[in-house]
Amino acid sequence: DQQVKQNSPSLSVQEGRISILNCDYTNSMFDYFLWYKKYPAEGPTFLISISSIKDKNEDGRFTVFLNKSAKHLSLHIVPSQPGDSAVYFCAARGYGQNFVFGPGTRLSVLP
Amino acid sequence: EADIYQTPRYLVIGTGKKITLECSQTMGHDKMYWYQQDPGMELHLIHYSYGVNSTEKGDLSSESTVSRIRTEHFPLTLESARPSHTSQYLCASSETRTSEDEQFFGPGTRLTVL
Repeated sequence: DQQVKQNSPSLSVQEGRISILNCDYTNSMFDYFLWYKKYPAEGPTFLISISSIKDKNEDGRFTVFLNKSAKHLSLHIVPSQPGDSAVYFCAARGYGQNFVFGPGTRLSVLP
Repeated sequence: EADIYQTPRYLVIGTGKKITLECSQTMGHDKMYWYQQDPGMELHLIHYSYGVNSTEKGDLSSESTVSRIRTEHFPLTLESARPSHTSQYLCASSETRTSEDEQFFGPGTRLTVL
């Protein structure tokens, strides 16, 4: 039973447009969330985080939104660049727990 | 920049062989992790350690074993490799002195067992 879901296996976006990657979770005890980016043949790299006391966190072109009542978070990338093409993983954990990862969404940014 | 290393990066080996996947980090992190990932699937935690001489099994059952004799080193061993062990193995570490414990990942080892 997946506790962290990323229902879109892939997403294609035109360069310069907004990319929106979605993540849903089922465990109401999750209180800290991360997004990672992964290129082929490399390990995931940390992008941005958000804790449950916030509903938005922004870092440059990347913004994460958290809707606790819907158990949903999203990552917005604006503007999208070809170098953003990668697999994006959502991860969540409760206090003192290990992270649970989603299956990832493959983003392709088309020039 | 994260300093976490994994060797080998790629390994093709025959059934029944014993293998050890190496993972080292130079950040002094107390927590270390091993994940297994199949293509298009989520990362599954198979082992973790909160410090020297501390090891725990993760959410996904694995026939591998780990050891943590030194803070910086967290090797994973398969006593007898099987084709079902074919996967990518990712090592990670984190600092837990704060509530924000992002994990830093190594580049991974892609294991193929023939």
